Amino acid sequence: SYVLTQPPSVSVAPGQTARITCGGNNIGSKSVHWYQQKPGQAPVLVVYNENDRPSGIPERFSGSISGNTATLTISRVEAGDEADYYCQVWDISTDHRVFGGGTKVTVL
Amino acid sequence: VQLVESGGGVVQPGRSLRLSCAASEFTFSTYPMHWVRQTPGKGLEWVAVVSSDAGNKYYADSVKGRFTISRDNSKNTLYLQLTSLRPEDTAVYYCAAEGGTGYYLEYWGQGTLVTVSS
Repeated sequence: SYVLTQPPSVSVAPGQTARITCGGNNIGSKSVHWYQQKPGQAPVLVVYNENDRPSGIPERFSGSISGNTATLTISRVEAGDEADYYCQVWDISTDHRVFGGGTKVTVL
Repeated sequence: VQLVESGGGVVQPGRSLRLSCAASEFTFSTYPMHWVRQTPGKGLEWVAVVSSDAGNKYYADSVKGRFTISRDNSKNTLYLQLTSLRPEDTAVYYCAAEGGTGYYLEYWGQGTLVTVSS
């Protein structure tokens, strides 16, 4: 089955840039999506199809892919961005949706 | 958009439970629907998907043969029948609506907690 690998944690100072990676075999051939989850809340879609944002999501959130790694970039980080972030793809071989293990972003 | 899960609770190992997800404020019948679960303190795990017309269903290997996803478009409701429950099925279960192209989960409910314990 397809596996997505994320770092367990990322720390960033307010106003700086956070980069959260998501590694997967040939991930560049897939559509990658990102979710934000704050404690006690349901996940929220923040980036879909690599670099599109749902309405209401700030432009500070952006996505990219290079090689076997997708990256969610949060610019000008705010205290309210502290959350867990998950990447997700569709595994065409099984028609399953696959999540990465999640990355906890801590704002220092 | 509103998705409201119900049916969670405490259940003994080996028993069954049915979860429901009531949808409103969007055209439920046109969206593929999913169940995703999260063990307390852990990550998200995709569980199952049903196509908009209920013609296709797919399951994670961890639940295949034990869980059944279904929907009633006339009632705008999604279901998950859980059988042969195990302690490792303890989790918050979320329903989610799949949006557009690209197979992403656009709308999520708030979740319902299932605890499997004797």
